[in-house]
Amino acid sequence: DVKVTQSSRYLVKRTGEKVFLECVQDMDHENMFWYRQDPGLGLRLIYFSYDVKMKEKGDIPEGYSVSREKKERFSLILESASTNQTSMYLCASSLYTGPPYEQYFGPGTRLTVT
Amino acid sequence: QKEVEQDPGPLSVPEGAIVSLNCTYSNSAFQYFMWYRQYSRKGPELLMYTYSSGNKEDGRFTAQVDKSSKYISLFIRDSQPSDSATYLCAMSSTGNQFYFGTGTSLTVIP
Repeated sequence: DVKVTQSSRYLVKRTGEKVFLECVQDMDHENMFWYRQDPGLGLRLIYFSYDVKMKEKGDIPEGYSVSREKKERFSLILESASTNQTSMYLCASSLYTGPPYEQYFGPGTRLTVT
Repeated sequence: QKEVEQDPGPLSVPEGAIVSLNCTYSNSAFQYFMWYRQYSRKGPELLMYTYSSGNKEDGRFTAQVDKSSKYISLFIRDSQPSDSATYLCAMSSTGNQFYFGTGTSLTVIP
């Protein structure tokens, strides 16, 4: 079974703090993704990576950065957390080669910025 | 205009009912269509995948894609309490970046 794990289920941070969200997958998947999920807005893609040290902006990259130094690990960084970044953050991974392009999701990190 | 529109519900049905969930989209280049199911406090899991137009059946679940109308549906027959979850549609033109609907919350009442 593919397993995607995220470092924390719940996180509370203060405005202005630097926040690291870690994601690890154990199936040697090339693609990895970071989404945020908000009521009424659904899942929105922040960044994705299709290889080590490669990254592509998604729909809402502002205020975020990412790091992928190893194939199995994809980190999301909030350089200076703000209250509008309070959200559920979901990491996902998928194989690069061909459909169905199924994405395997982690359990999510609920981040609250106060 | 959003790429993908989905009625958020909530939808509440009695056990055994047929459930119909729908999404519309604006990008005619979309060709990969998926339905994910998300239980409370869990990440989404792939339920159905369809390429281009047509129907696909898997047990009690049927996915339909009508590209001419830019409309996709998920039907659940003989719904069970264990089907209570949020259902998200997702679609893509390339397979790299998927656009998700907002999700429809479904409760099946025993």
